[in-house]
Amino acid sequence: AQSVTQLDSHVSVSEGTPVLLRCNYSSSYSPSLFWYVQHPNKGLQLLLKYTSAATLVKGINGFEAEFKKSETSFHLTKPSAHMSDAAEYFCVVILSGGSYIPTFGRGTSLIVHP
Amino acid sequence: EPEVTQTPSHQVTQMGQEVILRCVPISNHLYFYWYRQILGQKVEFLVSFYNNEISEKSEIFDDQFSVERPDGSNFTLKIRSTKLEDSAMYFCASSGGQSYGYTFGSGTRLTVV
Repeated sequence: AQSVTQLDSHVSVSEGTPVLLRCNYSSSYSPSLFWYVQHPNKGLQLLLKYTSAATLVKGINGFEAEFKKSETSFHLTKPSAHMSDAAEYFCVVILSGGSYIPTFGRGTSLIVHP
Repeated sequence: EPEVTQTPSHQVTQMGQEVILRCVPISNHLYFYWYRQILGQKVEFLVSFYNNEISEKSEIFDDQFSVERPDGSNFTLKIRSTKLEDSAMYFCASSGGQSYGYTFGSGTRLTVV
């Protein structure tokens, strides 16, 4: 079975400070991992993906994530938050070698204060 | 950049009515999905479709739901007799394969009254 846990339902930061959105996964197989962002009343946009290549993945808008197998984590980071980063972020896991159904975490709402 | 297009963006329907949600996946993609997001809750998998048939479905996808790819380009989700609890945002997604990622549409917000 596979599951994905986003540890924080809300993260609040000040503009210009670093962002850390946490994601842990549980999978018996090598996973593919994705982060999606959803702005209010918008669809889901792919930020970045990990598919067993480099463990540090760079995405759009200055975001990056590091796959740590020993910690079963795929945390999303950004050095300096911008007001436009305020959105809902979803960590998604796909089981390799089994069902290719993306499973979503509950989401983390990122709040950015001026 | 190629997009997945969903129509309508918002649909209001009366309880018991049938609705059809439409999606146009990316043209060379082979895998298609429907997901649902009830307001304030997580994004839930409904069904996946490959090679003109359902490849997997969740327990949410009961007999009132059906999917179809009628003309090789559109991918539709039909809800036969809508209930209040079907009110949600419905997302369509398509993929060229696992390592390529999944492209989601902007969603259709369904409101059942």
